[in-house]
Amino acid sequence: DTAVSQTPKYLVTQMGNDKSIKCEQNLGHDTMYWYKQDSKKFLKIMFSYNNKELIINETVPNRFSPKSPDKAHLNLHINSLELGDSAVYFCASSHPTGRGQFFGPGTRLTVL
Amino acid sequence: KNQVEQSPQSLIILEGKNCTLQCNYTVSPFSNLRWYKQDTGRGPVSLTIMTFSENTKSNGRYTATLDADTKQSSLHITASQLSDSASYICVVNTGNQFYFGTGTSLTVIP
Repeated sequence: DTAVSQTPKYLVTQMGNDKSIKCEQNLGHDTMYWYKQDSKKFLKIMFSYNNKELIINETVPNRFSPKSPDKAHLNLHINSLELGDSAVYFCASSHPTGRGQFFGPGTRLTVL
Repeated sequence: KNQVEQSPQSLIILEGKNCTLQCNYTVSPFSNLRWYKQDTGRGPVSLTIMTFSENTKSNGRYTATLDADTKQSSLHITASQLSDSASYICVVNTGNQFYFGTGTSLTVIP
């Protein structure tokens, strides 16, 4: 059974469109995250949610908005997509003890 | 400033050889340090996790060391295999925040 799953795996879209990426975890974790991995392979945190409350919000454009319908889901909605948004986006979750994170398989977003 | 630096940035070795990857951090407070392996096109997968009191931890051919005094960690890979080709990421946890290194790209060639 997949612990952290993301859909879609690939997303190709035009500039200016709005898109969403879904994430689900079946680990019973309390905290979920979204990371962006650019072409240089550096993982940069975008958001984290703990019990449906946003607790980290780095310098991310407000075109990006996380949405958490429940503890097991954290979706990422992106408005007015730009070329620079092209990257791989990873969802992750962690246990309250913070011993580490479990990552999803990633969503490769390409904006044309 | 909390930082995690890894070296080398990239590494190419022959199959069967050993190698060591380095991670230096300035993160404080320290809760634990984890090494991840990220295959191309996949999400990071945990290899080892070490707390303050642990100096060495092994997972098969992977052995991680931690020196909490000098704030250094290393990941030693023994008898490398082609499947070890991946990016290896060091992550330091303060207890409520995770700090990621930039990773080391390892290529194992036959």
